[in-house]
Amino acid sequence: ETGVTQSPTHLIKTRGQQVTLRCSSQSGHNTVSWYQQALGQGPQFIFQYYREEENGRGNFPPRFSGLQFPNYSSELNVNALELDDSALYLCASSPGHQGTNEQFFGPGTRLTVL
Amino acid sequence: RKEVEQDPGPFNVPEGATVAFNCTYSNSASQSFFWYRQDCRKEPKLLMSVYSSGNEDGRFTAQLNRASQYISLLIRDSKLSDSATYLCVVNSPGSARQLTFGSGTQLTVLP
Repeated sequence: ETGVTQSPTHLIKTRGQQVTLRCSSQSGHNTVSWYQQALGQGPQFIFQYYREEENGRGNFPPRFSGLQFPNYSSELNVNALELDDSALYLCASSPGHQGTNEQFFGPGTRLTVL
Repeated sequence: RKEVEQDPGPFNVPEGATVAFNCTYSNSASQSFFWYRQDCRKEPKLLMSVYSSGNEDGRFTAQLNRASQYISLLIRDSKLSDSATYLCVVNSPGSARQLTFGSGTQLTVLP
């Protein structure tokens, strides 16, 4: 069974640019959640996708957007990058969208905005 | 006030020590509770779920007090391999059932 994978592992961008991060969910999982983890902080919920539709969103501006594909893989897009967007971006998949479902995290994409 | 608050530490303890982490949460409607472990520069991994009756997994014991909105984790007989950041996590009600993380408590077990 393949776990959650994310690409790229590291990325360096400059302010104002746009970035796309990718996530492949674990086999059999139809729900993907994205989190942002700044240095020294816990992960913060960005949004969740369940069966290709956004199923909830945290306190992030509209320049953070996402997609889920029919194979349940997902993308996170961030437009107009700001310095504060520098963080570890984590994707987590789960077999359902209920709160009791364990979420399995990928290794993350470390984004640096200069 | 943060939704989930933890003592950031760091906790530096000798091998074999018992260490306790505490966590409080602000949303009384929260329904599920977890402790995750995160090693340096790695992804968080579920350590254990926390139930109202308290639960134990080997050297780890988790307790939940819904009335006080308080969660704890006790690690007995600490090992070097327990060194990590421990994240208190609460599942918030709503359609997304999102996980809300505390900032984490850093533990270093010393030889």
